[in-house]
Amino acid sequence: EADIYQTPRYLVIGTGKKITLECSQTMGHDKMYWYQQDPGMELHLIHYSYGVNSTEKGDLSSESTVSRIRTEHFPLTLESARPSHTSQYLCASSDMGYGYTFGSGTRLTVV
Amino acid sequence: SQQGEEDPQALSIQEGENATMNCSYKTSINNLQWYRQNSGRGLVHLILIRSNEREKHSGRLRVTLDTSKKSSSLLITASRAADTASYFCAFYDRGSTLGRLYFGRGTQLTVWP
Repeated sequence: EADIYQTPRYLVIGTGKKITLECSQTMGHDKMYWYQQDPGMELHLIHYSYGVNSTEKGDLSSESTVSRIRTEHFPLTLESARPSHTSQYLCASSDMGYGYTFGSGTRLTVV
Repeated sequence: SQQGEEDPQALSIQEGENATMNCSYKTSINNLQWYRQNSGRGLVHLILIRSNEREKHSGRLRVTLDTSKKSSSLLITASRAADTASYFCAFYDRGSTLGRLYFGRGTQLTVWP
C-alpha cells in the first residue's frame, strides 16, 4: 500500500486556470521530488526539497512552483495552466541512499 | 549528462521466456536500483544492488553490476504477461552530496500470452 499520496489522480482543466497538485507522505522522509513524464518517455526532475522550507529547481525548466511548509506535504502549483503543461506529474520521497517511494501520479490535461 | 542509458528501448517476448535489460552509466555510484512502472502509474522500487556487490536475486529477478564497465543488467526469468511494464534503472552519484537519483530512459517490456 502506498505511503505517498497524490491527488487528484486525473485533472482536465481549461487554459489560464490556477491548479495545485497535492502530494503527501506518511513516512517522515525529508527528501521529496516532483517529476514530469510524458507517456512512454523518461522522467524529468522539475523540483526537489531536502526538508522544510528547502526547495530547489530540477533539471527541467518548469513554470510551476512548490512549497514545503510541512515535512509530509509538498504541493506543486501552476499559476496559469497551458496546453504545454499537459503531462503526468509524479511525486516521490526518499531517505538518503535508499530507494524512492513514488505516488501514483496525477495525469494533467489542459484544454 | 549523468542520466543512465538503457537498452533495448523496447522488448517484446512470449510468456515463459526470459527478458534481459541493460543499463549503462558514466559516473561512480553508491548503488544502482531498478524500478518498474505500469502504464500511467508511478514507479515501484524492485531491487537495489550496492557498488560492492556483483549479483543479486529477488524472486524471478536477477540483477548484475559491473562497476568496471559501468553497467548493470536486469534479468526477469519465466516472464508473465503481468510483467508488461516499463523498467528503469537509477543510481546515486557517489560524488554528489545532493542524494538524488538519476534515472535511465527506460525499457518498455511487452510480454505476450
